[in-house]
Amino acid sequence: GQSLEQPSEVTAVEGAIVQINCTYQTSGFYGLSWYQQHDGGAPTFLSYNGLDGLEETGRFSSFLSRSDSYGYLLLQELQMKDSASYFCAVRDSSYKLIFGSGTRLLVRP
Amino acid sequence: EADIYQTPRYLVIGTGKKITLECSQTMGHDKMYWYQQDPGMELHLIHYSYGVNSTEKGDLSSESTVSRIRTEHFPLTLESARPSHTSQYLCASTDGTPDEAFFGQGTRLTVV
Repeated sequence: GQSLEQPSEVTAVEGAIVQINCTYQTSGFYGLSWYQQHDGGAPTFLSYNGLDGLEETGRFSSFLSRSDSYGYLLLQELQMKDSASYFCAVRDSSYKLIFGSGTRLLVRP
Repeated sequence: EADIYQTPRYLVIGTGKKITLECSQTMGHDKMYWYQQDPGMELHLIHYSYGVNSTEKGDLSSESTVSRIRTEHFPLTLESARPSHTSQYLCASTDGTPDEAFFGQGTRLTVV
């Protein structure tokens, strides 16, 4: 089966940098994705890593190490609007898209 | 903007009723998913489809069924609703390259 582990909650101050880790166990790994979900809203796609290394999209970066079954999402120059839940997700060879338990990020002034 | 729609947005229904949650997308995506999510909790995959006439059960045991007769349409049916089915149901689709899934706004179901 598949499993993904993330910290349940992270707190940081505005302007800071925060890293959210994700470790996974899956069969037929096809890539690691990250999603953001504000309270009451639907998840929205942030980034995808199919190969090892760092992907940068504005203030957000995502990293993958397939040999370690590990990835992280890096958020820089934190803003209050970044307070949300962040989910990592993996797709396996059978097209299943499985999400982690989510990390609740609280940005304080 | 994502072109994936779920109806109804909110539904309150009595125990034992049969209900169908609708999900439609206009992006031509072949892969579609249904997730169940309680407030502030993780997304549990309950059903998925990788194309017309293909449906698979997810990891969360569910008493619901799905069908995929058309690419754009992936309805979820509960034959007999129970209070334990009270939750938010999220539909998503992707073409898989890369794995950017688009989500509908969800259906908040309350079974009384």
